[in-house]
Amino acid sequence: DSGVTQTPKHLITATGQRVTLRCSPRSGDLSVYWYQQSLDQGLQFLIQYYNGEERAKGNILERFSAQQFPDLHSELNLSSLELGDSALYFCASSVTGRAEKLFFGSGTQLSVL
Amino acid sequence: GENVEQHPSTLSVQEGDSAVIKCTYSDSASNYFPWYKQELGKGPQLIIDIRSNVGEKKDQRIAVTLNKTAKHFSLHITETQPEDSAVYFCAAGGTSYGKLTFGQGTILTVHP
Repeated sequence: DSGVTQTPKHLITATGQRVTLRCSPRSGDLSVYWYQQSLDQGLQFLIQYYNGEERAKGNILERFSAQQFPDLHSELNLSSLELGDSALYFCASSVTGRAEKLFFGSGTQLSVL
Repeated sequence: GENVEQHPSTLSVQEGDSAVIKCTYSDSASNYFPWYKQELGKGPQLIIDIRSNVGEKKDQRIAVTLNKTAKHFSLHITETQPEDSAVYFCAAGGTSYGKLTFGQGTILTVHP
């Protein structure tokens, strides 16, 4: 168990809908990272938050947004969903703001039908 | 941006044999190179990492080597066991906060 909790584990929705993925980092970790994993794109970095502030941005679509709350949990919001958004979404956390020694959650499997 | 190439995409070995997975990176400024293991239904788990000021690092049956000049690094697993079967990912980072670029992964199968 990595100590990173992601909910829900599975999510099935329809095109055009909006969903929210939740992540609780390991106790004491200030940074949260969101990754998208698909068969054709591999593990793609989306966005990072450090102690409530956005720190780095990767290949995140404008339809996607995230935030980190004062208790350090984070939410990833995906809107106007398309079939191609179906993927495994991982959250990871680390103590520092650098992407080093990341601890990953078990992921949320999103299926857009 | 950074680009990480990983080979082979699949690797099959007999229990007790060694396994080697290789990665190349494009950004000479990258200075942090971790390896992750992902088992079915789980998230990636860090197994070993190396910084650019070190050429080699070992942890029991796992070792990583780095050649900065050639911009490639490798994972070596000795005395493989069936429980080593998983997908292994290399990554490169350190040039900017939060940015870790992963390779495409290697499916390692260890046959008993």
